[in-house]
Amino acid sequence: DAGITQSPRHKVTETGTPVTLRCHQTENHRYMYWYRQDPGHGLRLIHYSYGVKDTDKGEVSDGYSVSRSKTEDFLLTLESATSSQTSVYFCAIKPGLAGTDTQYFGPGTRLTVL
Amino acid sequence: QQQVKQSPQSLIVQKGGISIINCAYENTAFDYFPWYQQFPGKGPALLIAIRPDVSEKKEGRFTISFNKSAKQFSLHIMDSQPGDSATYFCAASLGRDDKIIFGKGTRLHILP
Repeated sequence: DAGITQSPRHKVTETGTPVTLRCHQTENHRYMYWYRQDPGHGLRLIHYSYGVKDTDKGEVSDGYSVSRSKTEDFLLTLESATSSQTSVYFCAIKPGLAGTDTQYFGPGTRLTVL
Repeated sequence: QQQVKQSPQSLIVQKGGISIINCAYENTAFDYFPWYQQFPGKGPALLIAIRPDVSEKKEGRFTISFNKSAKQFSLHIMDSQPGDSATYFCAASLGRDDKIIFGKGTRLHILP
């Protein structure tokens, strides 16, 4: 699991409530990513970070915000959860070493919005 | 706009057979093409990757074939085993500082 933990692993919430998912890494890697995975859509990038306080949007960023105040933690927030945000969320890191572009994924968080 | 197209969506292969999954890309500037394997309830894990300066890369039973002129690459799993049953994703990247674009995945089932 490349030293990546995600919390919580499962969450059920109601429409309109705020939700924060946490990704924690132990290796001080520069790059971190949030994806969502849905049947028929594969993995879609929500937001990513290339350093503390440096973040950027991915292809499905609407309704999501992120923060990275420490190298080891990347938080994904759903300000007001909707049923369309029911999904499995994966965090990934990329070591950023010369010669490698590989991303390593965490175990995922299954989020259900009722 | 989907930049990496993957086929088939699902695939059933007999044990011992060859599994073949195909991907096509649009952006000729992509320079890194990984394949990820995902088991149910787990995150995707890197299986094998190739760069466009080679036409083939083999690791054990897994081979990537790369056709730069056709903008296509494929994963071949030789002597497929039931333990290979998983979802496979192809992907492409522009380089170290860029994000990876994933295909939609292929669900592979190997019959025992």
